[in-house]
Amino acid sequence: SQQGEEDPQALSIQEGENATMNCSYKTSINNLQWYRQNSGRGLVHLILIRSNEREKHSGRLRVTLDTSKKSSSLLITASRAADTASYFCATVPGYSSASKIIFGSGTRLSIRP
Amino acid sequence: ETGVTQSPTHLIKTRGQQVTLRCSSQSGHNTVSWYQQALGQGPQFIFQYYREEENGRGNFPPRFSGLQFPNYSSELNVNALELDDSALYLCASSLMGVSSQETQYFGPGTRLLVL
Repeated sequence: SQQGEEDPQALSIQEGENATMNCSYKTSINNLQWYRQNSGRGLVHLILIRSNEREKHSGRLRVTLDTSKKSSSLLITASRAADTASYFCATVPGYSSASKIIFGSGTRLSIRP
Repeated sequence: ETGVTQSPTHLIKTRGQQVTLRCSSQSGHNTVSWYQQALGQGPQFIFQYYREEENGRGNFPPRFSGLQFPNYSSELNVNALELDDSALYLCASSLMGVSSQETQYFGPGTRLLVL
């Protein structure tokens, strides 16, 4: 079963607008990561936030983490057509003795020119 | 480019057959994880290999098996293929440290179609 669930499942915005995607998870985590996937190809790591961090930035990306609500958000500012992709949150459960990453079902982001 | 390669890129098999998928890790990485991604879904963890031994497994039956070689490349073997095995198979390499799993670097995937 999925640990993380992204919301919304699909998002369509105008180029230049900001895109916000949310992720909720069920168990305690060591860290949470966001990945991007273009058209069924391999995933590209975007950003990692640890369980003791609340916010992290990388270029146009901003990630927040609220461990009390078991949720995270990914904000992409000033979106571009090239940002069109699927975005996945992935968690490393705190209980796991193995290094196992659990992915959510993803948000499909479409940027309209 | 992550430096992780997979072969073949596409594969068509029939039900009941066996398949072997291959993955070459990024240089310096000692851990390989395999994922199955059905259409429209997120990747599902199959298993992970660290220093040639299985280091965790997801909810997949024993007909899914793997190997990791001394050069840290890896194989995923699936026996008795079923129609539901049709998916994109992704491998990811990483460097296992003292703490839990860090960033994984994904290959482009192998798309398997079972008829």
